[in-house]
Amino acid sequence: EAGVAQSPRYKIIEKRQSVAFWCNPISGHATLYWYQQILGQGPKLLIQFQNNGVVDDSQLPKDRFSAERLKGVDSTLKIQPAKLEDSAVYLCASSPLGQGVNNEQFFGPGTRLTVL
Amino acid sequence: AQSVAQPEDQVNVAEGNPLTVKCTYSVSGNPYLFWYVQYPNRGLQFLLKYITGDNLVKGSYGFEAEFNKSQTSFHLKKPSALVSDSALYFCAVRDRANAGKSTFGDGTTLTVKP
Repeated sequence: EAGVAQSPRYKIIEKRQSVAFWCNPISGHATLYWYQQILGQGPKLLIQFQNNGVVDDSQLPKDRFSAERLKGVDSTLKIQPAKLEDSAVYLCASSPLGQGVNNEQFFGPGTRLTVL
Repeated sequence: AQSVAQPEDQVNVAEGNPLTVKCTYSVSGNPYLFWYVQYPNRGLQFLLKYITGDNLVKGSYGFEAEFNKSQTSFHLKKPSALVSDSALYFCAVRDRANAGKSTFGDGTTLTVKP
């Protein structure tokens, strides 16, 4: 089966610009996650969707970050305006609804963002 | 708040020797525990998980992990390390009582030398 797809793979922008990342989860996976992984740290959950509803966005900086999953399939994460500290790899993951929260997550290759 | 600690940034072992990568966690409810591996220029891959039952969990590539509730630990082990096991390993916890929110440790770099 096809894995989690993300685009672009790399993005370089200047501070105060906006950027958007796209994710297409594994077909049939109800739960979609966006993580931020800063160099030398583990992934930090930004937002978790179940179908097209938000389950958790407690760590999403809502003044500049937004995410949507309108049709319950693919998702977009946007940063507007970007700051230097947003430089990181943005990971998308998905998991089936099946057994609930004990399901493992399947990760995409990530988008490496550099903010200059 | 839930948390995961991986106390060692780096673990070095010789090929053929046993390896252990340590993980401790803190969560208010019942934990679901996971190990993921990240190879260079590749995404995170699932290795194994503890949900309930046997404290010793077996996973991919010959890895296993032992859940210890009293010590709140979930150490990753392998009896005989391979050079190809060299990678970045992440421990993660999910709390069923917290909508299944995932928290990852900061990772441990495993280097297996020939």
